[in-house]
Amino acid sequence: GENVEQHPSTLSVQEGDSAVIKCTYSDSASNYFPWYKQELGKRPQLIIDIRSNVGEKKDQRIAVTLNKTAKHFSLHITETQPEDSAVYFCAASRDRDDKIIFGKGTRLHILP
Amino acid sequence: EAQVTQNPRYLITVTGKKLTVTCSQNMNHEYMSWYRQDPGLGLRQIYYSMNVEVTDKGDVPEGYKVSRKEKRNFPLILESPSPNQTSLYFCASRHRAGGGEQYFGPGTRLTVT
Repeated sequence: GENVEQHPSTLSVQEGDSAVIKCTYSDSASNYFPWYKQELGKRPQLIIDIRSNVGEKKDQRIAVTLNKTAKHFSLHITETQPEDSAVYFCAASRDRDDKIIFGKGTRLHILP
Repeated sequence: EAQVTQNPRYLITVTGKKLTVTCSQNMNHEYMSWYRQDPGLGLRQIYYSMNVEVTDKGDVPEGYKVSRKEKRNFPLILESPSPNQTSLYFCASRHRAGGGEQYFGPGTRLTVT
């Protein structure tokens, strides 16, 4: 079946450095790729998303890039801050239904 | 306030005792989903619904049932819970398929002994 691979599973970066999380998907019909942040004990919340007709999207310190040919998409966080520490999930979905496949998550630690 | 609510938030039950977790949204969203979250496995979709009386299986539907009799409500039913259904469950809704932010409920932590 369809799946989404997410790497790395854990990432530690020095405060102020950049963090990159990568995902690959298998369903070529996928055309919507959201990223969620989940803080400890809380619900996932959308931080940025991208559709397949766009190659890159940026929102302040957060950016997402999509390579549809290679079925890769990545989350980039620049100038990391302590509040960026959380688990991040990528996901892929398609227009024809509401089936959504999530990656297994990346635990991001921001080191002081 | 726009929100997704779930009840109960915490539940401890015994094997085989039927239970229902309720989910309600006040945003008039067409699409609703149930997920389970387990350590190291991320979020896995159990069932989703694209409209009233329209439901479909996600990745891990075994052992679960859902119904969508009203647009705002999407209950999750475990007819005969087993210990492997011990998990954190999230309900979510969104306005349209293939795009649009998905809003998650606060989660229900279920323990089956």
